Amino acid sequence: KQEVTQIPAALSVPEGENLVLNCSFTDSAIYNLQWFRQDPGKGLTSLLLIQSSQREQTSGRLNASLDKSSGRSTLYIAASQPGDSATYLCAVRRGMEYGNKLVFGAGTILRVKS
Amino acid sequence: NAGVTQTPKFRILKIGQSMTLQCAQDMNHNYMYWYRQDPGMGLKLIYYSVGAGITDKGEVPNGYNVSRSTTEDFPLRLELAAPSQTSVYFCASSYSPGGRKAGANVLTFGAGSRLTVL
Repeated sequence: KQEVTQIPAALSVPEGENLVLNCSFTDSAIYNLQWFRQDPGKGLTSLLLIQSSQREQTSGRLNASLDKSSGRSTLYIAASQPGDSATYLCAVRRGMEYGNKLVFGAGTILRVKS
Repeated sequence: NAGVTQTPKFRILKIGQSMTLQCAQDMNHNYMYWYRQDPGMGLKLIYYSVGAGITDKGEVPNGYNVSRSTTEDFPLRLELAAPSQTSVYFCASSYSPGGRKAGANVLTFGAGSRLTVL
């Protein structure tokens, strides 16, 4: 059974700091991995998607890496801003034999202090 | 372009009542999903659909039913509401080329429906 764990559960940093959010998964047989952002009371917004054959994806100040063999992904946020405060979730997509489903972690609550 | 639209946003039910959460997408996505999110937990998949007329169970399907008569709509039905179904429900959709073949999907989520069962 695929399990996804995110560490830390919560993180508070001063504005301008670079930070790393961690995601680990137990079964390396994944199809892709996605990072999402969720603002309080809102739905999820997709940030980055990494295919299983890729090592990293970048979008602006965000960089996501994937090490499938060790079952790990990191989301790097450069020069954090108060507007980055949100919950960040990672999700792994399993293959067709598992119904092509996403398995989510519980998320990391990020607070960037001005 | 509205994306994924969920209704209602909030609802309070009494134990044993029934209701339907509506979900509609206008992006011609073939895959649609229903998730529930409980405090401090990740999203759990309830049901999903790979296209009109096809639905499959997710991790936590008990107490729920779905139908997919059109590409656009994927309603979630609670027949006999229980306190354990108090949660925030999210509908999502994605496009996967080739029907059942897995693709580079990016999920688009609705804003969520907060349900309380008392």
